[in-house]
Amino acid sequence: DAGVIQSPRHEVTEMGQEVTLRCKPISGHDYLFWYRQTMMRGLELLIYFNNNVPIDDSGMPEDRFSAKMPNASFSTLKIQPSEPRDSAVYFCASSPVGGTGNEKLFFGSGTQLSVL
Amino acid sequence: QKEVEQDPGPLSVPEGAIVSLNCTYSNSAFQYFMWYRQYSRKGPELLMYTYSSGNKEDGRFTAQVDKSSKYISLFIRDSQPSDSATYLCAMNRRSGNTGKLIFGQGTTLQVKP
Repeated sequence: DAGVIQSPRHEVTEMGQEVTLRCKPISGHDYLFWYRQTMMRGLELLIYFNNNVPIDDSGMPEDRFSAKMPNASFSTLKIQPSEPRDSAVYFCASSPVGGTGNEKLFFGSGTQLSVL
Repeated sequence: QKEVEQDPGPLSVPEGAIVSLNCTYSNSAFQYFMWYRQYSRKGPELLMYTYSSGNKEDGRFTAQVDKSSKYISLFIRDSQPSDSATYLCAMNRRSGNTGKLIFGQGTTLQVKP
C-alpha cells in the first residue's frame, strides 16, 4: 500500500486566496483525520471523519476552514480566504480502528502551506 | 496550562548513549499512551503504545507510564544516528474520544556519530 497520500507537498499563496489541500487515505481505513502542526502550537487535531461522516470539527479554527469527505478514498481541507497565520504543515492521517482509544494513526507526509 | 507538556529540546547525545524522553500530563482520564517518531519533512509514525501504567519494551526502546505521577517516558538504549528525529508523546481517553489524540510539542533528538 502506498500509505496516506497528500497533495500538494508545498503550497505558497497570497493572503485572501483560496487554498485546497487533498488527501487519499489508506484503503480500508474507516477514520480520517486532519491535523495542523506549527512550532508554537505543536500538532493539533482540526477535524476527523468516520465512514465519510464528520464526527468532531471542534478543532477547526474558524469558519474560513472547511473539510469534506465525498467518498472513502478522498478528502479535502479548504481555507477561504487564507491568512498568513494559517501558515503551517497540514497532515492527513487515517486509522483502521476506533472507539477504544487504541488508534494507530498513519500519517501522510504533509502539505507545507505558506500564506504571504 | 496545556494538557500535555513536553520539553522541545533540542537534545544532543553521542552515539551509544541512553536517551530519556519525557512528558507530563494533567488529565487523569488519559489511559492510552503513545510515542510517535517524526523524521524531518515526514509525518509522525507510531513507535510505541502502552495502556495504563507499566513498562513496555521493544528492542532498544522502552516506554514507561506512571499514572500516579502523570508522567510518561521513552528510553532509547544504544542510540544511533538514525534515531535522530522529533519524538512526540500522545495520549487519549477511552471510548467516545476516538481519534482525539492529544500530542505533546515534541522533543528534537540529535544523535551524533
